[in-house]
Amino acid sequence: DSGVTQTPKHLITATGQRVTLRCSPRSGDLSVYWYQQSLDQGLQFLIQYYNGEERAKGNILERFSAQQFPDLHSELNLSSLELGDSALYFCASSRSSTYGYTFGSGTRLTVV
Amino acid sequence: GQQLNQSPQSMFIQEGEDVSMNCTSSSIFNTWLWYKQDPGEGPVLLIALYKAGELTSNGRLTAQFGITRKDSFLNISASIPSDVGIYFCAGPVFDSGGGADGLTFGKGTHLIIQP
Repeated sequence: DSGVTQTPKHLITATGQRVTLRCSPRSGDLSVYWYQQSLDQGLQFLIQYYNGEERAKGNILERFSAQQFPDLHSELNLSSLELGDSALYFCASSRSSTYGYTFGSGTRLTVV
Repeated sequence: GQQLNQSPQSMFIQEGEDVSMNCTSSSIFNTWLWYKQDPGEGPVLLIALYKAGELTSNGRLTAQFGITRKDSFLNISASIPSDVGIYFCAGPVFDSGGGADGLTFGKGTHLIIQP
């Protein structure tokens, strides 16, 4: 157990739908990162939050959004889902802006 | 953007063999990270390198930060079955203002160990 908790573990939904993925960081970690892993694109950085504020944005689509709440858990919202959004979505956390992230086990999203 | 090229893409080896994989970039990196991902799990940090020329070990794993800062390699000695997995190199990406923009990952090296 890495200490980073992601729910749900698996999600199957239809095209056009909206889903929310949840992440609880390791105790004491202020930064939360979201990554998407697909077979063709590999691991892609989506977005980072630090202590409730957006810190950095990567290859995140406009249909996707995220937030970090006062208790430091984070949610990634994916809307108007397309077949190509099927992927593993990982959350990672770190104490500050260091690079030694700890990853969660991921949420496998399947869009049908 | 900055891209990391890993090779080989996959390796089929016998248990007990030594393994060597590398990662190259056309851009300079100030930090190199090596992660391992097991099936159904997230990547786990193996080794972090912060200085050009640095050689760091973690048990049977040894990684080096290339002197040009554009490459890194990872060696695994005397491989065992639990070494199976995907090995990723990664490095931080910075925006034009110098702020960190997350990590960029290589596509990974799949290590398969034949009994």
